Amino acid sequence: QVQLVESGGGLVKPGGSLRLSCAASGFTFSLYYMSWIRQAPGKGLEWISYISDSDTKYYADSVKGRFTISRDTTRNSLYLQMNSLRAEDTAVYYCARAPSSYKGSPTSIDYWGQGALVTVSS
Amino acid sequence: DIQMTQSPSSLSASVGDRVTITCQASQDISNHLHWYQHKPGKAPELLIYDAFNLEAGVPSRFSGSGSGTHFTFTISSLQTEDIATYYCQQYNLFPTFGQGTKLEIE
Repeated sequence: QVQLVESGGGLVKPGGSLRLSCAASGFTFSLYYMSWIRQAPGKGLEWISYISDSDTKYYADSVKGRFTISRDTTRNSLYLQMNSLRAEDTAVYYCARAPSSYKGSPTSIDYWGQGALVTVSS
Repeated sequence: DIQMTQSPSSLSASVGDRVTITCQASQDISNHLHWYQHKPGKAPELLIYDAFNLEAGVPSRFSGSGSGTHFTFTISSLQTEDIATYYCQQYNLFPTFGQGTKLEIE
């Protein structure tokens, strides 16, 4: 069955960096668009980045220039490198799979990881 | 990015009530809109896809309608297990979610 397992969350100071990983299994990882979606405490869901099956990447304005999404198909893993972290980046970060795409953009999410908590605080 | 304005942000209703949530897109998104249910401690679940199609296994009391910029999500008869936060999500361009509607039982 499809499984997505995030790791790498934790406490980091403002201005610091953190790298999240997501280990994927149960499907052909290289064929799917993958995304990072976050939820800040008491807030709603925010789609922050995705990477296509051909390695095209897209970022929400809130993280553009600070976060980098990447994937390693040999390891069936998705990554999110987060630099210049701010207090407002504090959130649970979900790794997620999109079942299909439309005009180069993922359409929806059919599988989610359990989430990794990132706390940015001094 | 396309902005999704979802309302209300919270809603309290009784078991058996008809509940309606709306989402307004900042530009025409055709029918490229989904509705999710999110319960605490669980992954969000897709209920309605492409504005009005019921995902397999989802109870028929859930429904969606609309196209263009205005969309509606309805629970025809609220059940206790429907307590959750509901989100709309568009995919016409970079995907974005509405702000969510927290549904509670009166």
